[in-house]
Amino acid sequence: KNQVEQSPQSLIILEGKNCTLQCNYTVSPFSNLRWYKQDTGRGPVSLTIMTFSENTKSNGRYTATLDADTKQSSLHITASQLSDSASYICVVSALSGGSYIPTFGRGTSLIVHP
Amino acid sequence: EPEVTQTPSHQVTQMGQEVILRCVPISNHLYFYWYRQILGQKVEFLVSFYNNEISEKSEIFDDQFSVERPDGSNFTLKIRSTKLEDSAMYFCASSPGAGGTQYFGPGTRLLVL
Repeated sequence: KNQVEQSPQSLIILEGKNCTLQCNYTVSPFSNLRWYKQDTGRGPVSLTIMTFSENTKSNGRYTATLDADTKQSSLHITASQLSDSASYICVVSALSGGSYIPTFGRGTSLIVHP
Repeated sequence: EPEVTQTPSHQVTQMGQEVILRCVPISNHLYFYWYRQILGQKVEFLVSFYNNEISEKSEIFDDQFSVERPDGSNFTLKIRSTKLEDSAMYFCASSPGAGGTQYFGPGTRLLVL
């Protein structure tokens, strides 16, 4: 069964600090890995998307890494801001019969304190 | 910037009633999706739709669920006979290509009493 595990479950940091969120997956056949930011009560917003051949992808202060061999990904947030407080979700898609089947992680809840 | 819209934002219904959740995907997108998120739990994939037919569906998407693109702009999710456990936030998403970035709508919060 395809699974996506994220850690930590929650994280509290001070404004301006960096943090790294982890994602481990067992999804086959692997197609792509996405990181989303979800504010409370809102729809997820895409941060990065990586395919098998990509090791790193940046989007402003967000940098995602992918190790397809160990099936791990991380999301690094630099110089955190109060607006970074949200849930960060790792989504790994399998390619099946031409369709992409996403498996969502439970997310890491990040709180940035002033 | 174009965005996915969903209506209604909230819906309360009685168990056993039919509900239709509506979505307007981004206009030049070709792939459409429905997801649900039960309060406090992770987002779950329901169904993907392309070229006027379902391309993939999850185990959750049983016979009580159906999707339709009745015209060139709307994409709907129908739940025929709602159950208490259908209470959740339902998200619609669209993407320009099969593996491309999916853009999510703001969601419809469904409460079944």
